[in-house]
Amino acid sequence: LAKTTQPISMDSYEGQEVNITCSHNNIATNDYITWYQQFPSQGPRFIIQGYKTKVTNEVASLFIPADRKSSTLSLPRVSLSDTAVYYCLVGYNNNDMRFGAGTRLTVKP
Amino acid sequence: DAGITQSPRHKVTETGTPVTLRCHQTENHRYMYWYRQDPGHGLRLIHYSYGVKDTDKGEVSDGYSVSRSKTEDFLLTLESATSSQTSVYFCAISASLFSGGTNEKLFFGSGTQLSVL
Repeated sequence: LAKTTQPISMDSYEGQEVNITCSHNNIATNDYITWYQQFPSQGPRFIIQGYKTKVTNEVASLFIPADRKSSTLSLPRVSLSDTAVYYCLVGYNNNDMRFGAGTRLTVKP
Repeated sequence: DAGITQSPRHKVTETGTPVTLRCHQTENHRYMYWYRQDPGHGLRLIHYSYGVKDTDKGEVSDGYSVSRSKTEDFLLTLESATSSQTSVYFCAISASLFSGGTNEKLFFGSGTQLSVL
């Protein structure tokens, strides 16, 4: 059964590194893992995408183990403005793409 | 930001009435999607389109229909709205001109808050 699972919420403090893990046991062989960020009253916004190993861009890193059954979004040195809901999107077979339920990250001063 | 406009932004309607939500893009992208967002469920795909007059069902398509008569417009219709369709609806488009799938970046509109009383 295709299911994308992530923690409901996480708390952190400014300046800390935050790691959010997404589980996707049945990910399709050729499909990617993508993470989105959403602020209140806005649509989700692309953060990062990867297929395997590690991907890094100017805002985040994405770690994907060899079995690809999970992935971890890493946000370095978070600030108050990183408070948002984070979603992972994973592809299963036959164009079945599933978002996780979202992780609400709260960054405290 | 990608040129995606959703209308209306807010709508209140009564059970049993038809409702149409509109998504308009100025990017000429081939793929367009409709999602609904509910607490505890995240975003779930209702329908998507891969070209003019080409559409397919998503995970939660029951009670919804779509139409795409022009590249830039993707309409979502609730034929007879029910209270379970109270939700926030998002339209999205794919960055690629030629294919869809999880190797594409999705760009989202600002959403439509629909309340069915």
